[in-house]
Amino acid sequence: AQSVTQPDIHITVSEGASLELRCNYSYGATPYLFWYVQSPGQGLQLLLKYFSGDTLVQGIKGFEAEFKRSQSSFNLRKPSVHWSDAAEYFCAVDGSGTYKYIFGTGTRLKVLA
Amino acid sequence: SQTIHQWPATLVQPVGSPLSLECTVEGTSNPNLYWYRQAAGRGLQLLFYSVGIGQISSEVPQNLSASRPQDRQFILSSKKLLLSDSGFYLCAWTEHVDTEAFFGQGTRLTVV
Repeated sequence: AQSVTQPDIHITVSEGASLELRCNYSYGATPYLFWYVQSPGQGLQLLLKYFSGDTLVQGIKGFEAEFKRSQSSFNLRKPSVHWSDAAEYFCAVDGSGTYKYIFGTGTRLKVLA
Repeated sequence: SQTIHQWPATLVQPVGSPLSLECTVEGTSNPNLYWYRQAAGRGLQLLFYSVGIGQISSEVPQNLSASRPQDRQFILSSKKLLLSDSGFYLCAWTEHVDTEAFFGQGTRLTVV
């Protein structure tokens, strides 16, 4: 069965520091991968997605993610974090043709001024 | 452009009362529709999804049901709420298989 693991429940970084949020998936083939961000009390907004091709994908708000098949990972990165990036981040997997999206449990990011 | 509307934004209901949450999508036809629940510290759990009118698939057996009476309308219901039904409910849609999901703003349900 498909699954997504986000091993870090909480992460705290200083403003201006770099950020990496981890995501590992379990799936028999190469899935479609997504990162979403959720501000408090709000819905989810797509940051970026990977379907195929270049394994380094660029997203909105200066985020990028790299798909590593050998590690079954799709980690999210940002070179310099802004205070407005404080939110909860979800990694998601979509197995082709299933119509269903499996989300990780999320990583809550706190940014220190 | 496509938009998704979900209401109400917040809801406080007593145990044993009925529930109806509504979600509508505009600007697209025959979307795939989803209901997720987000409980504190547990991420998003897929509850139901629908690929067409009257077609509902349930992911988790529970006290809830879903219906799709119209192409762009998705309703989440319960006949009798339980305390454990409290959570943040999110409606989402996708245009095609394997495309990103677009989410509504969510409904915060508190069962008291």
